[in-house]
Amino acid sequence: EDQVTQSPEALRLQEGESSSLNCSYTVSGLRGLFWYRQDPGKGPEFLFTLYSAGEEKEKERLKATLTKKESFLHITAPKPEDSATYLCAVQGATRGADGLTFGKGTHLIIQP
Amino acid sequence: GAVVSQHPSRVICKSGTSVKIECRSLDFQATTMFWYRQFPKQSLMLMATSNEGSKATYEQGVEKDKFLINHASLTLSTLTVTSAHPEDSSFYICSVGLAGPDTQYFGPGTRLTVL
Repeated sequence: EDQVTQSPEALRLQEGESSSLNCSYTVSGLRGLFWYRQDPGKGPEFLFTLYSAGEEKEKERLKATLTKKESFLHITAPKPEDSATYLCAVQGATRGADGLTFGKGTHLIIQP
Repeated sequence: GAVVSQHPSRVICKSGTSVKIECRSLDFQATTMFWYRQFPKQSLMLMATSNEGSKATYEQGVEKDKFLINHASLTLSTLTVTSAHPEDSSFYICSVGLAGPDTQYFGPGTRLTVL
C-alpha cells in the first residue's frame, strides 16, 4: 500500500526566513510525485510533478527535489502570501487508473 | 493545465436526503475524472475513478450504492450522495487527469453538511 508522510505538520516562519518541507513516501513503482498548494476551503492548486530521483523543479520562491525515499519543498525568502497548506502526493504502479495517494500536508504560516 | 469547476460550492441538507454534485472540465475532454473526500485536517482520500461511458471504479471501503457516479460526457461527472447522514459531511473534490502518469487538476471543492 502506498504511503505518504509529511513533516512538519505545521510550520511558522518569519517573512524572508527560508526553510524546507519534507515528504517521505513508500510506493510500489513510483510513477510520479506531486506537490500541491491548498488554501482554506479551496481545491488543491498544482505546483510540481517529479518523476525520478535527482529531478528538481523551480517556480518563483519554491523548489522541489526528489530522492528514492523522499521529496523536499524548499521555500526561499517566503512572503505572507505563501501561507497555505502544502500537499504531497504519489502515483504508484499498483493503484489503478492513476489515482493519487496524499499526505496530510504541512500547514505553513509566514508572518510579516 | 485543465480548468475544473464544481457545483454547488456549498450544500446543506437534511439527513436521509440525496445530494448531487457536478464536476465539469471546462477546457479539456476528460475520459477519466476522480472523486476525493477530505475531512478536516486529514488527507484527501480517493473515493472513486469516474470513466466516461462506463461504470466507475470505487476504492476499497467506499459504498458504490451510496455514492453514485455518472460520467455521461467527456466534460461532466456527477457524484450523488444517497440517503446522506451526518457522517457524510465532508469536503468533496473532483479532479481531471491527463493520460498516463501525469498531473491531476482539481476543482474548487464542494462543502457538504448533513444535518
